[in-house]
Amino acid sequence: DAGVIQSPRHEVTEMGQEVTLRCKPISGHNSLFWYRQTMMRGLELLIYFNNNVPIDDSGMPEDRFSAKMPNASFSTLKIQPSEPRDSAVYFCASSRTGGETEAFFGQGTRLTVV
Amino acid sequence: AQSVTQLGSHVSVSEGALVLLRCNYSSSVPPYLFWYVQYPNQGLQLLLKYTSAATLVKGINGFEAEFKKSETSFHLTKPSAHMSDAAEYFCAVIGGGSYIPTFGRGTSLIVHP
Repeated sequence: DAGVIQSPRHEVTEMGQEVTLRCKPISGHNSLFWYRQTMMRGLELLIYFNNNVPIDDSGMPEDRFSAKMPNASFSTLKIQPSEPRDSAVYFCASSRTGGETEAFFGQGTRLTVV
Repeated sequence: AQSVTQLGSHVSVSEGALVLLRCNYSSSVPPYLFWYVQYPNQGLQLLLKYTSAATLVKGINGFEAEFKKSETSFHLTKPSAHMSDAAEYFCAVIGGGSYIPTFGRGTSLIVHP
C-alpha cells in the first residue's frame, strides 16, 4: 500500500483565498483524522471521521474551516477565507477503528498564508 | 479525557550514550500507548506501541519502552544513540473510551558526535 497520501505537499496562498487540502487514506481504514502542527501548539486534532461520518469536530478552529469525507477513500479540509495565522503543517492520518491500532500519517501539507 | 506529558522539549546526548525520553499519561484503564518519530519535513512514523500485552515493548531502530502502571509512565529508551536518531519524538495515548490519539508536545532529540 502507498500509505496515506496528501496533496499538495506545499501550498502558498494569499490572505483571503480559499485553500483545499486533500487526503487519501489507506484502503480498509475506517477512521480518519486531520491534525494541525505548529511550533506554538504542537499537534492539534482538528476533526475525526469514522466510517465517513464526522464524529468529533471540536478542534476545528472556527467557521472558516470545514472538512468533508464523501467516501471511504477521500477527504478534504477547506479553509475559506485563509488568514496568516492558519500557516502550519496539516496532517491527515488513518487507522482501523480500535484503541490498539495505530494511526498512519501522511507526509503533510505545509501551508503558508501571506 | 486522556492527556500526555513529555518532560523536556529538547534532549541532548552524545553519540553512543543512553537515550531516555520521558512520557507520562493520564487515562482510564486500559490505555493504549504509542511512540512516534518525526524526521524533518516528514510525517509521523510509529516506533512502537503498548496494547496491554508485555509491559516491555521493543520497537524499530533499537528503541524500547516500558509501561509502568503505578507511575503512569511509558518512557522511551535506546542503549546507544546514533546520529541518525536525531528527530522529534511524540508519545500518544488512546483511552477513556475514545479512539482518538492524544499526542504530547514532542521531544526533540539532539545527538552530538
